[in-house]
Amino acid sequence: EVQLLESGGGLIQPGGSLRLSCAASGLTVSDNYMSWVRQAPGKGLEWVSIVYTGGATYYASSVKGRFTISGDNSKNTLFLQMNSLRAEDTAVYYCASAYCSGGTCYPTYFHHWGQGTLVTVSS
Amino acid sequence: EIVLTQSPATLSLSPGERATLSCRASQSVRSNLAWYQQKPGQAPRLLIYDASNRATGIPARFSGSGSGTDFTLTISSLEPEDFAVYYCQQRKEWPPLTFGGGTRVEI
Repeated sequence: EVQLLESGGGLIQPGGSLRLSCAASGLTVSDNYMSWVRQAPGKGLEWVSIVYTGGATYYASSVKGRFTISGDNSKNTLFLQMNSLRAEDTAVYYCASAYCSGGTCYPTYFHHWGQGTLVTVSS
Repeated sequence: EIVLTQSPATLSLSPGERATLSCRASQSVRSNLAWYQQKPGQAPRLLIYDASNRATGIPARFSGSGSGTDFTLTISSLEPEDFAVYYCQQRKEWPPLTFGGGTRVEI
């Protein structure tokens, strides 16, 4: 059974930094396409970033240059380093893995999700 | 950026009724569209991918149709556990991957 467990959220002042973690079990982070998706309080879903199995990374324009997605093979953990945080970054952050079926993986459809971690950017 | 517009914003129905949810794309996404279900306090759940394929373990009462710019999620007979918010998501042109604003299905 695949489980994703996010941590690292909290209250941070504007301009500050946080690093979110997503510890995986039942799948190998480095062998999967892994994403971060966020949801502002009472709002819809917003894709943030994805890392491909080959290491390529992509970002939403709203976070590009401020956020960095990465993985640690030894810990089987996905990270999101968030710098220069803004009030509009306040959200629950979910990590998610790609949907795979019948030997085919769809990197940009999100199958397994964590429970989310809340990031609040406020002074 | 491809914008997805979902309608209606809220759908008020009773158990056993049929639910029809719409998602319209600002430009063609061919069949590169998924549907998710989200219940309060929970993470989203993938229901449909590539417009009409049910994800693993999804009940047959959920079906997706459409291509190009107009898509539909149909729940043939609502079960009590189906009352939730539903989102569509496109992967045709990205970044960014984009989601619709959601449709709430309520009793």
